[in-house]
Amino acid sequence: GAGVSQSPRYKVAKRGQDVALRCDPISGHVSLFWYQQALGQGPEFLTYFQNEAQLDKSGLPSDRFFAERPEGSVSTLKIQRTQQEDSAVYLCASSLVGGGTYQETQYFGPGTRLLVL
Amino acid sequence: GNSVTQMEGPVTLSEEAFLTINCTYTATGYPSLFWYVQYPGEGLQLLLKATKADDKGSNKGFEATYRKETTSFHLEKGSVQVSDSAVYFCALGGYQKVTFGIGTKLQVIP
Repeated sequence: GAGVSQSPRYKVAKRGQDVALRCDPISGHVSLFWYQQALGQGPEFLTYFQNEAQLDKSGLPSDRFFAERPEGSVSTLKIQRTQQEDSAVYLCASSLVGGGTYQETQYFGPGTRLLVL
Repeated sequence: GNSVTQMEGPVTLSEEAFLTINCTYTATGYPSLFWYVQYPGEGLQLLLKATKADDKGSNKGFEATYRKETTSFHLEKGSVQVSDSAVYFCALGGYQKVTFGIGTKLQVIP
């Protein structure tokens, strides 16, 4: 079946522009996660949704970052007034079960590579 | 808080060599442990997982055993292939998020 998909795959933005990154999770998956992966580093947690509820946004680096999942399926990560330090790969993941269980496997999309000039 | 420490790469091996990538963790509670792999130009893929102490995860010839006494989850493979060249991430499944290590790049040469 279809996995997690993300669009666009690549995005170049000028400093100060707003960007929107889209994630389509696996159909029926309750939980959705966003991660940021800087070059040469492991992914870092940004935020977590259970259905449409954003239960944890502790990893968002600033108030320029905003995520939503209004209908409990597709999610959008928006970055306002982009800065050069926002350049990274943004990964989306989904898992079947809600509730934040320790056991659940997260399935990752291919990521969106953002370059801010 | 939760953290994962894995050996830094790059690791370069000849084909058919034995592979070990070390991973240790710090965690509260009873986390699951994962190894993810990222092939060039592709997204993260789950390689294997273990959900409790002494569990062994295995897939594609790779193995890792959840050692609670040493807080470790080392990745091993008896005979690597060129196609195993990738970046390997050790990860810890905590409440509502996964914590990743820095990643270890493996290059296998013919």
